Amino acid sequence: GENVEQHPSTLSVQEGDSAVIKCTYSDSASNYFPWYKQELGKGPQLIIDIRSNVGEKKDQRIAVTLNKTAKHFSLHITETQPEDSAVYFCAASITGFKTIFGAGTRLFVKA
Amino acid sequence: KAGVTQTPRYLIKTRGQQVTLSCSPISGHRSVSWYQQTPGQGLQFLFEYFSETQRNKGNFPGRFSGRQFSNSRSEMNVSTLELGDSALYLCASSDLRVNTEAFFGQGTRLTVV
Repeated sequence: GENVEQHPSTLSVQEGDSAVIKCTYSDSASNYFPWYKQELGKGPQLIIDIRSNVGEKKDQRIAVTLNKTAKHFSLHITETQPEDSAVYFCAASITGFKTIFGAGTRLFVKA
Repeated sequence: KAGVTQTPRYLIKTRGQQVTLSCSPISGHRSVSWYQQTPGQGLQFLFEYFSETQRNKGNFPGRFSGRQFSNSRSEMNVSTLELGDSALYLCASSDLRVNTEAFFGQGTRLTVV
């Protein structure tokens, strides 16, 4: 069945460094790839997304890349700050259908 | 615009009991999805409702069921609770006329003892 693998499960970086989280999806029909950030005690919140007709998208310190051939997509956070510490989830879906989430990456940014 | 509201926030139940969780989506959103979140398993898809119809279903036993009302509010029910059902249950709503972005509620923390 559909599956999304996410790595690493835990990531610790120094403030100011970059963080990269990688995901692989199995369903080649997937065309929408959102990334969510979940802070303690809150539900996940969308931070950036990318559609299959785009290879890269950037929003300030956050960027996402998509390689459709390899079925890989990645989240890049530059100049990390302590407030970036949270759990990040990647997901893959076919527009209008169910969304499959990765297992999550717990990011720690050390001041 | 109010966000997604889930009630109750916390719940403690005994094995064998049943539980009903409620989700009120953002006004105008007709799609509601439910997820189970556990520390080791991430976000597991339960089911999705659109206009009172279940369109998609995850790989959960029949003890997990749901429904959606005409005002798009949704409920999920778990019968014959097991210890392993302890989790954070998240609801997300989407306005599929605009895009597929899912807006999550804060979840209901269910503990089965």
